[in-house]
Amino acid sequence: QVQLVESGGGVVQPGGSLRLSCAASGFTFGSYALHWVRQTPGGGLEWVAMISNGGSRRYYADSVKGRFTLSRDNSRSTLYVQMDSLKPDDTAVYYCARDRSSNPTGGWGYLDYWGQGTLVAVSS
Amino acid sequence: DIQMAQSPSSVSASVGDRVTITCRASQRIGSWLAWYQQKPGKPPNLLIYAISTLQSGVPSRFSGSGSGTDFTLTISSLQPEDFATYYCQQAHSFPLTFGGGTKVEIK
Repeated sequence: QVQLVESGGGVVQPGGSLRLSCAASGFTFGSYALHWVRQTPGGGLEWVAMISNGGSRRYYADSVKGRFTLSRDNSRSTLYVQMDSLKPDDTAVYYCARDRSSNPTGGWGYLDYWGQGTLVAVSS
Repeated sequence: DIQMAQSPSSVSASVGDRVTITCRASQRIGSWLAWYQQKPGKPPNLLIYAISTLQSGVPSRFSGSGSGTDFTLTISSLQPEDFATYYCQQAHSFPLTFGGGTKVEIK
């Protein structure tokens, strides 16, 4: 069955960095786009970023553009997000999610499998 | 960015009730609309995509409708396992955006 397992969360000071990982199994990893979505302490869902199946296309929310960088290693079935210059507003549970579409040219945006999430807390 | 406005923010209902949740997009999004269910401590779960297509395994008491900017999620006969928070989401363009959520509570 499809599984996504996030790791790398923790407590970090403002201005610090973290690298989250998402290990995938149960599907052909290189055929699907992948997303990060975060859920704030208030409960709202915010889409963070997406990387295409081959890694050539990336999209970011304005709130993280220039600070977060997505990458993926299809040989290891793992997704990463490097988070730099972290701010208190980045505090959230971070989920990785698979895009439902295996179309490499687009039609993305429906998230059919999600990991359990990893907590990132930015505080001094 | 496309804004998604959901209403109501919460609804109290009994088992067997019909429940309707609405979602309004700030611009036309074609058929690029999804609904998710989330239970406490769990990630969201895709229920419906492309306005009205049920994701595999989702019970038929869930249905979606709408067009243009106005969309609806209907639960025809609420079951105990349906008490949860529901979110709409547009997939028309990046950044993807979610509604604020509707919490379905036990009356």
